[in-house]
Amino acid sequence: QQPVQSPQAVILREGEDAVINCSSSKALYSVHWYRQKHGEAPVFLMILLKGGEQKGHDKISASFNEKKQQSSLYLTASQLSYSGTYFCGTEIIGSARQLTFGSGTQLTVLP
Amino acid sequence: KAGVTQTPRYLIKTRGQQVTLSCSPISGHRSVSWYQQTPGQGLQFLFEYFSETQRNKGNFPGRFSGRQFSNSRSEMNVSTLELGDSALYLCASSLLSDSNYGYTFGSGTRLTVV
Repeated sequence: QQPVQSPQAVILREGEDAVINCSSSKALYSVHWYRQKHGEAPVFLMILLKGGEQKGHDKISASFNEKKQQSSLYLTASQLSYSGTYFCGTEIIGSARQLTFGSGTQLTVLP
Repeated sequence: KAGVTQTPRYLIKTRGQQVTLSCSPISGHRSVSWYQQTPGQGLQFLFEYFSETQRNKGNFPGRFSGRQFSNSRSEMNVSTLELGDSALYLCASSLLSDSNYGYTFGSGTRLTVV
């Protein structure tokens, strides 16, 4: 039931773009995205509800394809501060408020 | 605005002992969830409380329990500790128990069982 995240790791140079994918085999009600830096708490980025919406947050945006039960996180013109591990958390229909997290994508932005 | 506060930050316990972890949510937040984070299993849902009622429980043995008080503060208890319980325990609060709201996580309590 754990969503599958890809890639597992990515290394970028400042200014480059990245896409992180999250795929579930279950029908989803929502997808959450969080970023966790080493030794710190996960930080909420955004939530997408079923309905195929797309959201943006500065240079970080995400989409949710309800038909495919997939979400993608887009990081454009990456900054050093974007480094960290990104997790998607999925809320399966019928299991309200019980997030199942992916294994994470480790993003490293180099100067 | 104060964030989610978890105490203690670090704990070392012996196998067989029990432990209680505390979480104070953001003021006004009424939903508190607990997650266990380990390198092998990642982030796993333990339970969620809203208005002093457990709304959901993850796939953990009965040794893991929790409660929420009328001021929304929450405690989590683990009895008969096992080595495999060593983990970072994260508390997350949310304004309501509603899928429109994301979570604010605390810094966690790192539990080491020896």
